[in-house]
Amino acid sequence: KQEVTQIPAALSVPEGENLVLNCSFTDSAIYNLQWFRQDPGKGLTSLLLIQSSQREQTSGRLNASLDKSSGRSTLYIAASQPGDSATYLCALFTGTASKLTFGTGTRLQVTL
Amino acid sequence: GAVVSQHPSRVICKSGTSVKIECRSLDFQATTMFWYRQFPKQSLMLMATSNEGSKATYEQGVEKDKFLINHASLTLSTLTVTSAHPEDSSFYICSATQEGDIQYFGAGTRLSVL
Repeated sequence: KQEVTQIPAALSVPEGENLVLNCSFTDSAIYNLQWFRQDPGKGLTSLLLIQSSQREQTSGRLNASLDKSSGRSTLYIAASQPGDSATYLCALFTGTASKLTFGTGTRLQVTL
Repeated sequence: GAVVSQHPSRVICKSGTSVKIECRSLDFQATTMFWYRQFPKQSLMLMATSNEGSKATYEQGVEKDKFLINHASLTLSTLTVTSAHPEDSSFYICSATQEGDIQYFGAGTRLSVL
C-alpha cells in the first residue's frame, strides 16, 4: 500500500524567504505526482504535475522535483509571499483505477 | 481549463436527515468521478470511485449504505449521506477525470450535522 508523507507538517516563515516542502512515498511505481494548494475551507488548486519520466517542473516561483528511485519529491517556493499561506498537498497517481493517493499535507504560513 | 462544480458549498442539517451533494463537470464528460472526505487539518481520504452507469467502488471501511453514490450521466455524480449523524460532519470533495489521470476538483462541501 502506497504511503505518502509530507514534512514538515507545519511551517512558518517570514516574507521573502525561499522554502522547500518535502513529499516522500513508499512505492516508486507511479505514473505522475501532483502538488496542490488548498486554502482553508476550500477545494484544491493544482500547482504542478510531474510525469514519472520527468525530473522537475516549473511554474513562476514554484519548482517541483521528482526522484522516483529515492521516493521523494520537493516543492520549492521562491521569494515567499503572505498570499502563499495555505496547505500544500502532494498526490501520487499510480494508475490503479485512476486513484490519487494524497500526502499528509504541509500547512504554510508566510508572515509579514 | 476543465471545471468541476460542487453544490452546495455548505449544508447544515439535523441528525437523522439525508443530505445530497452534487458534483458536475461543466465543460467535459467525466468518465470517472471520485468522492473524498477530509477531516480538520487532515489530508483527503478517498471514499469511493464512480463510473458512469455502474455501481460505485467503495474504499475499505466506507459504508456504502451510508454514503450512496449515483453517477447517472457523464456530467453528474451525487453523494447522499443517509441518516446523517454528527460524526458525519466533515468536508466532502469530489473530483472528475476524463482521460484517466488528471483529476479536476470541486470546491468542496462543508457538512455540519446538528
